[in-house]
Amino acid sequence: GAGVSQSPSNKVTEKGKDVELRCDPISGHTALYWYRQSLGQGLEFLIYFQGNSAPDKSGLPSDRFSAERTGGSVSTLTIQRTQQEDSAVYLCASSLRGAQYEQYFGPGTRLTVT
Amino acid sequence: GQQVMQIPQYQHVQEGEDFTTYCNSSTTLSNIQWYKQRPGGHPVFLIQLVKSGEVKKQKRLTFQFGEAKKNSSLHITATQTTDVGTYFCAGKLTFGTGTRLTIIP
Repeated sequence: GAGVSQSPSNKVTEKGKDVELRCDPISGHTALYWYRQSLGQGLEFLIYFQGNSAPDKSGLPSDRFSAERTGGSVSTLTIQRTQQEDSAVYLCASSLRGAQYEQYFGPGTRLTVT
Repeated sequence: GQQVMQIPQYQHVQEGEDFTTYCNSSTTLSNIQWYKQRPGGHPVFLIQLVKSGEVKKQKRLTFQFGEAKKNSSLHITATQTTDVGTYFCAGKLTFGTGTRLTIIP
C-alpha cells in the first residue's frame, strides 16, 4: 500500500511569511508525528496526534508553530512569520496506534527560509 | 525531560570491520526502537526491543536492550558499503543523537 506522503517536497519562503506543510499518513494509522531535522542533526520531536487530538505538543518550539489533524487522517503543520532558524527538513511519521509501534516516515519537506 | 544520547557521533570503518553504536537514556524505557537513515533519505524502522536484557539478530545486525532498560546497543558484524547511514535509537517520542557510519571500501 501507499506509504506516508508529504507535500510540498521543497519549500522556499521569505522570512516573515507563513507556510503550511501537509502530511498524509498510511491509511488506518491512528498515530501521527511531526519531527524537525536540521542538516546533519538528529530528529527533534514537535508534536504527536492520536486520532485528531494532540496529547503531546511539548516539542513545538514557539507559538508560531501549530498543527492540526482532521478526520483522523491528513495533518498540516503551520509555521507563522517564518524565521531563518526554521530552515530544516520537516518529517512526518505515522504508526498503527501509539508510540510503542514502529513509525513509518514520509520523505520530508525541505523548508528554506531566505 | 527525557534525553537519549548515542556514542560515538561518527564512526569510520574499513569495509569488513565491525561497528557498534551505544544508546543511553536518562530514564527507564518501556521499549526501544532502532532506525536507519541513509544519506538523503528518511529514517526506516529496523527493530523494536521490549524486554529487559533482550537480544535480537537480523543477519549481521545484533541489537541488545540493557537489563535496566536504560541503554541499548547495535552491533554490525563485517560491515558492507550498504550499511552506510545514520543509526538512531528511539525511546517513546525521543530520538537519540544518532551515529553516522561511513565505510572505507
